[in-house]
Amino acid sequence: GQNIDQPTEMTATEGAIVQINCTYQTSGFNGLFWYQQHAGEAPTFLSYNVLDGLEEKGRFSSFLSRSKGYSYLLLKELQMKDSASYLCAPMDSNYQLIWGAGTKLIIKP
Amino acid sequence: DVKVTQSSRYLVKRTGEKVFLECVQDMDHENMFWYRQDPGLGLRLIYFSYDVKMKEKGDIPEGYSVSREKKERFSLILESASTNQTSMYLCASSPSTGGHRTETQYFGPGTRLLVL
Repeated sequence: GQNIDQPTEMTATEGAIVQINCTYQTSGFNGLFWYQQHAGEAPTFLSYNVLDGLEEKGRFSSFLSRSKGYSYLLLKELQMKDSASYLCAPMDSNYQLIWGAGTKLIIKP
Repeated sequence: DVKVTQSSRYLVKRTGEKVFLECVQDMDHENMFWYRQDPGLGLRLIYFSYDVKMKEKGDIPEGYSVSREKKERFSLILESASTNQTSMYLCASSPSTGGHRTETQYFGPGTRLLVL
């Protein structure tokens, strides 16, 4: 079956760095998306990886290893506004996104 | 900027009522999706559509139907609402660029539905 595993909750300090891991098993693979979702709001796109390696976009970076079924989202210089849930979503062979339950990130001053 | 709008942010209905949730996107996207989101679970796909008048079942279509008469509008219908359909409903759209379907999905603000 298809499965996504990411931590339920993480806590980090303002200004620090945090890494949110995601492991996945899907039927086929067409890339992996990361979305950010603030409480009560819609998910918004952060990154898309289809090849192995690290993609950097400002304070946020995303890494993919297809052979290991593994991705992580790295957030640097954490700000209070980064408190949100982070959703990992690989795309399967039918081009359907398989969504994880999300990691709730709590930032403390 | 892509804009996806949903007809209501909050909705309260009674068991057995027919419920219509409307979604409109203004970016001429081919693909549209309806998800529900429940605490502790990932988004679950109810139905999606790749073109006008086309619809495909997602993972949990039971108790739902959809309509796509115009490219910009995708409606979700709960034929006879039940309490287990209390949830957050999210609509999304994405373009099909050159036939590729790996494009980013853009989400509406969501409709929080309570069925009593």
